[in-house]
Amino acid sequence: DVKVTQSSRYLVKRTGEKVFLECVQDMDHENMFWYRQDPGLGLRLIYFSYDVKMKEKGDIPEGYSVSREKKERFSLILESASTNQTSMYLCASIRDRDRGNQPQHFGDGTRLSIL
Amino acid sequence: SQQGEEDPQALSIQEGENATMNCSYKTSINNLQWYRQNSGRGLVHLILIRSNEREKHSGRLRVTLDTSKKSSSLLITASRAADTASYFCATGYTGRRALTFGSGTRLQVQP
Repeated sequence: DVKVTQSSRYLVKRTGEKVFLECVQDMDHENMFWYRQDPGLGLRLIYFSYDVKMKEKGDIPEGYSVSREKKERFSLILESASTNQTSMYLCASIRDRDRGNQPQHFGDGTRLSIL
Repeated sequence: SQQGEEDPQALSIQEGENATMNCSYKTSINNLQWYRQNSGRGLVHLILIRSNEREKHSGRLRVTLDTSKKSSSLLITASRAADTASYFCATGYTGRRALTFGSGTRLQVQP
């Protein structure tokens, strides 16, 4: 079974801090995704990566950056955290040949609170 | 926006009853997927239906797809308290890496 692991289930940070959310998958998937989930808005795509060092903006990239130095790890970075970035963050992955045609595999999420 | 919309936003039923959730989308798709999310957890894939399929079953789940109406429904039969969760539809497009998710239906099954 594919395992997608997010480093923290809960995280509390202060406004202005630089925040790192980490995601690791163990199935050699090329594609990894970061979503943000807010009540009534469903999941919105922040960024995704289709290969090491490759990334593309999603629907709501403002205020975020990403890093993919190794295939198995995809990091989401909040450069200067703000209270409107308080949310649930979900990481997902999929093989490139399955893209658009197969289910994505999700981690358990990180609930981030910015005070 | 290509985002799908689920209907209803919330649903409360008694154990043993059937639960039906609907999803509408805006542009032609390759497939439509349904996911379940328990409170505070990640999404778990339930079922995928391709654009050339009309109906699919998996255990107590039945999914239909009407591409002419750009809509899908998820039926959970003989619901159980353990089915209490949020359910999301997501649409997949050929060659596009990311899925587009709806806003979800919160299902509460009363014991």
